[in-house]
Amino acid sequence: QQQVKQSPQSLIVQKGGIPIINCAYENTAFDYFPWYQQFPGKGPALLIAIRPDVSEKKEGRFTISFNKSAKQFSLHIMDSQPGDSATYFCAVTGANNLFFGTGTRLTVIP
Amino acid sequence: GAGVSQSPSNKVTEKGKDVELRCDPISGHTALYWYRQSLGQGLEFLIYFQGNSAPDKSGLPSDRFSAERTGGSVSTLTIQRTQQEDSAVYLCASSHRGLDYTFGSGTRLTVV
Repeated sequence: QQQVKQSPQSLIVQKGGIPIINCAYENTAFDYFPWYQQFPGKGPALLIAIRPDVSEKKEGRFTISFNKSAKQFSLHIMDSQPGDSATYFCAVTGANNLFFGTGTRLTVIP
Repeated sequence: GAGVSQSPSNKVTEKGKDVELRCDPISGHTALYWYRQSLGQGLEFLIYFQGNSAPDKSGLPSDRFSAERTGGSVSTLTIQRTQQEDSAVYLCASSHRGLDYTFGSGTRLTVV
């Protein structure tokens, strides 16, 4: 059973564009929502995370928007750069459980 | 250590052989996960250790897979009688508070 659904599977944007990756979950017991970035040949690395008591969190060019009532959260990358090309995973955690989305492969074209 | 260390980084083995993959988590991290990632795919949960509690083995795909964590630190994932479908990258992650997980670079296993 997939605990978190992630879309799209892949995304291509021009440099400077704002890619948006969406995730949805069902279990309201989850209380922490991180995003991980993975480059080829490397393990995923924590990018940014949010708790459900806030609706938005920004760190540099990365923003998480969180809609608690809809049980959805999304990652926005402002002014995207070719170096942002990677696979992005959303995740949900709660009670020491950690579940990942299926990943989004982002390509930023120069 | 400064990060999660996994060894070997690459392993090629013959079908039917046993393999052991090692994970050295960050010192003091009580939570440890093993994941499997097939080429271009997502992260498949395998097993989870939390402190001295019994591990959550619900993700292990068959009885050929087992894992242990000695002294609450180093973990070893063992795959017996390897099959070609076991070929993947095996990732280990650790966490102090069960929130932000740090991943190793993984072991790329190729079964020929």
